[in-house]
Amino acid sequence: KQEVTQIPAALSVPEGENLVLNCSFTDSAIYNLQWFRQDPGKGLTSLLLIQSSQREQTSGRLNASLDKSSGRSTLYIAASQPGDSATYLCAVPNYGQNFVFGPGTRLSVLP
Amino acid sequence: DTGVSQDPRHKITKRGQNVTFRCDPISEHNRLYWYRQTLGQGPEFLTYFQNEAQLEKSRLLSDRFSAERPKGSFSTLEIQRTEQGDSAMYLCASSLGLASNEQFFGPGTRLTVL
Repeated sequence: KQEVTQIPAALSVPEGENLVLNCSFTDSAIYNLQWFRQDPGKGLTSLLLIQSSQREQTSGRLNASLDKSSGRSTLYIAASQPGDSATYLCAVPNYGQNFVFGPGTRLSVLP
Repeated sequence: DTGVSQDPRHKITKRGQNVTFRCDPISEHNRLYWYRQTLGQGPEFLTYFQNEAQLEKSRLLSDRFSAERPKGSFSTLEIQRTEQGDSAMYLCASSLGLASNEQFFGPGTRLTVL
């Protein structure tokens, strides 16, 4: 069974800092990995989808990398802003079409 | 069509009652997923449809839970004889079903069982 972990569980940084969130998964036989953002009490917003054939995906200040062989993905956020405060989740396929999510990293960006 | 919608957004019910939630996916998305999320945890997979066919069900989906997707459009998730442990956020997602399979989520239905 696929298992996903995310570290750190929580992170607090001053505005303007660059930061890295980590996602690890146990089974490297994945065909993609997706990063999401979730605001309190809300649904999930898709940030980036990385195909297994890709090593990186970029969207604005966000950059996600994928290393299948080591079972890791990172989400890099450049020049963080208070509006980036949210929980960030990664998800990978679980031997089929359903997905397994990590527990998330709760990010607070202080003004 | 601006995204996945879910109704209701909030539901409070008494233990033992039945509840039904609805999800409308993005038009032309043929895959539809249901997840459950409790506080401080990531979403947990419940079930998945390809068009009108229910192709996967999690062991979390006890016999009190049933999901349908008639005609491959909207979907309903029914919980019978609700228990306090059913209190959670119920999330619906849809995807095109191509190789990329990017999922798009609705706002969720918050269920509270008293």
